Amino acid sequence: SYELTQPPSVSVSPGQTASIACSGDRLGAKYVTWYQQKPGQSPVLVIYQDAKRPSGIPERLSGSNSGNTATLTISGTQAVDEADYFCQAWDGSTVIFGGGTKLTVL
Amino acid sequence: QVQLVESGGGVVQPGRSLRLSCAASGFIFGGHAMHWVRRAPGKGLEWVAVISSDGSDKHYAKSVKGRFTISRGNPKNTLYLQMNSLRTEDMAVYYCAKVDCSGGTCYLDSWGQGTLVTVSS
Repeated sequence: SYELTQPPSVSVSPGQTASIACSGDRLGAKYVTWYQQKPGQSPVLVIYQDAKRPSGIPERLSGSNSGNTATLTISGTQAVDEADYFCQAWDGSTVIFGGGTKLTVL
Repeated sequence: QVQLVESGGGVVQPGRSLRLSCAASGFIFGGHAMHWVRRAPGKGLEWVAVISSDGSDKHYAKSVKGRFTISRGNPKNTLYLQMNSLRTEDMAVYYCAKVDCSGGTCYLDSWGQGTLVTVSS
């Protein structure tokens, strides 16, 4: 079965750029979605179709996908960006989530 | 405005059953596939099941196949998850999520607030 791998944690200083990787076999051939989940809250869609932002998602969040790796980039990271981030792709009709990355804004 | 409200969670003993519901509003429920996703304490998101917009096509995660059944009542704008033979590893917050599609792909664009299922003797 298809697997997506994310680093368990990423730390970043306020105002700096955070990059969260998501790797999978020939992932660039699939579309990747990213969700943000803060403690006690439901997941929120932040990136779909590799790089598109839903309305209301800040421009500082961006996505890319090529080769075996998709990347969520947060530019000018703010304290409000501290959350768990999950990448997601499809394997046929089933949904595959990465293990999640805890972003800490130090 | 899309609203998804889960209910039916609670404390249940291993081996027993529970039925979750998700009441939908603010969109044409019968026009969208729907998913159940869960998050266990200290773990990540785990996809559970999907049902097509008309209920004719269903798929399940290996971990729940044969024990859980997803269904929907389009006239009632409600999604269900019947969970049988519950195990301690099924303990999690369960979310229902709506599917939207564009540009050749689909994604979970709206999520409910979740309902907690505790499996304990």
